Amino acid sequence: AQSVSQHNHHVILSEAASLELGCNYSYGGTVNLFWYVQYPGQHLQLLLKYFSGDPLVKGIKGFEAEFIKSKFSFNLRKPSVQWSDTAEYFCAVNVGYGGATNKLIFGTGTLLAVQP
Amino acid sequence: GAVVSQHPSWVICKSGTSVKIECRSLDFQATTMFWYRQFPKQSLMLMATSNEGSKATYEQGVEKDKFLINHASLTLSTLTVTSAHPEDSSFYICSARRRLAGRNTQYFGPGTRLTVL
Repeated sequence: AQSVSQHNHHVILSEAASLELGCNYSYGGTVNLFWYVQYPGQHLQLLLKYFSGDPLVKGIKGFEAEFIKSKFSFNLRKPSVQWSDTAEYFCAVNVGYGGATNKLIFGTGTLLAVQP
Repeated sequence: GAVVSQHPSWVICKSGTSVKIECRSLDFQATTMFWYRQFPKQSLMLMATSNEGSKATYEQGVEKDKFLINHASLTLSTLTVTSAHPEDSSFYICSARRRLAGRNTQYFGPGTRLTVL
């Protein structure tokens, strides 16, 4: 079965530190990849997505992610975090195309706490 | 654009009663809506996929008679938890996929916290 794993469950950084959150998936076919963020008390918001083309994807708020097909990975990065980046980050994979079988599989999430 | 709302945002009910949760796409049409369940400190688990005008597709292990889903229009899907029990207490989140969208992006609602006493 398809699965998504996020290696870091809880990350604590100081402001201005660089961030990299790992995400690996298990699925041999073509995938669409996503990173969602959930700020405290808010709903899930899309940070960035990869469908095809350039494997380095830039998202909102200075985040980027790199799709490495050979490693089945889609790691999220940000060169310099801010206190406002404190949130929970979810990696997700979309398998299947169109119709009712299309669905997102989520990783377990990484809780990021940025200390001022 | 692409705003999804849920109502209510939280609900407390007695064991044995039924609760209906609404999911609306406010500024776009959604041919497909998804219902997820999120337990504390865990990820989102897909419960079912609902397509407008047809029966929902439930994930393995999800009781279709307990979690009734209706997708009556392109902007509204409802989840009814029938005969709720304390173990049904959870955070329920819906998402919607744009109609005619070339890409498979889901937009999420704010969630509904259900507490069954």
